[in-house]
Amino acid sequence: DTAVSQTPKYLVTQMGNDKSIKCEQNLGHDTMYWYKQDSKKFLKIMFSYNNKELIINETVPNRFSPKSPDKAHLNLHINSLELGDSAVYFCASSHLGGAGNTIYFGEGSWLTVV
Amino acid sequence: DAKTTQPNSMESNEEEPVHLPCNHSTISGTDYIHWYRQLPSQGPEYVIHGLTSNVNNRMASLAIAEDRKSSTLILHRATLRDAAVYYCILMYSGGGADGLTFGKGTHLIIQP
Repeated sequence: DTAVSQTPKYLVTQMGNDKSIKCEQNLGHDTMYWYKQDSKKFLKIMFSYNNKELIINETVPNRFSPKSPDKAHLNLHINSLELGDSAVYFCASSHLGGAGNTIYFGEGSWLTVV
Repeated sequence: DAKTTQPNSMESNEEEPVHLPCNHSTISGTDYIHWYRQLPSQGPEYVIHGLTSNVNNRMASLAIAEDRKSSTLILHRATLRDAAVYYCILMYSGGGADGLTFGKGTHLIIQP
């Protein structure tokens, strides 16, 4: 079983549309994250949630809204998509606390806005 | 956050050892040193981490300088599958949900 799974893997959509990327982890972790990797390959954290509560919200347009229905899921909703939103989005999870904790990443969702 | 400095790229031959350096001269006493790697078209994956002592696992070894201002990730026998971008990241031991702050990493090229 995949530890951190994201769907869809590929998404091509038009500007102005609203789309969602789903993420689920079966590791029993209490913390989940969304990362964005742009065309220059920089990986940057967008959000982190602990026990369904938002912990980190980096400088991300409010068109991006994470939703955590339970500890095992953290979905990413994006409204009014723009060309600059084209990127790879990675979901991740870990246990909270302790710098020795390993963070597990999903395989990524490739979003292309045309 | 304390920063790390890595070479942009390195090249090695298959079945030879690889030493990937990382400088972190502003590391604090409570920062752990983590290494992750990202294979092409995949998500980052954990490689190894340590605080003060050298560490070994099935994937690699981590050698930490005595003053902790630098570290080296050692792949004992590189394979083509080890071609990836390797990230050296400092993580504050206070934990929390800060996640990882990725730099540019080192692009490791393995020649057959």
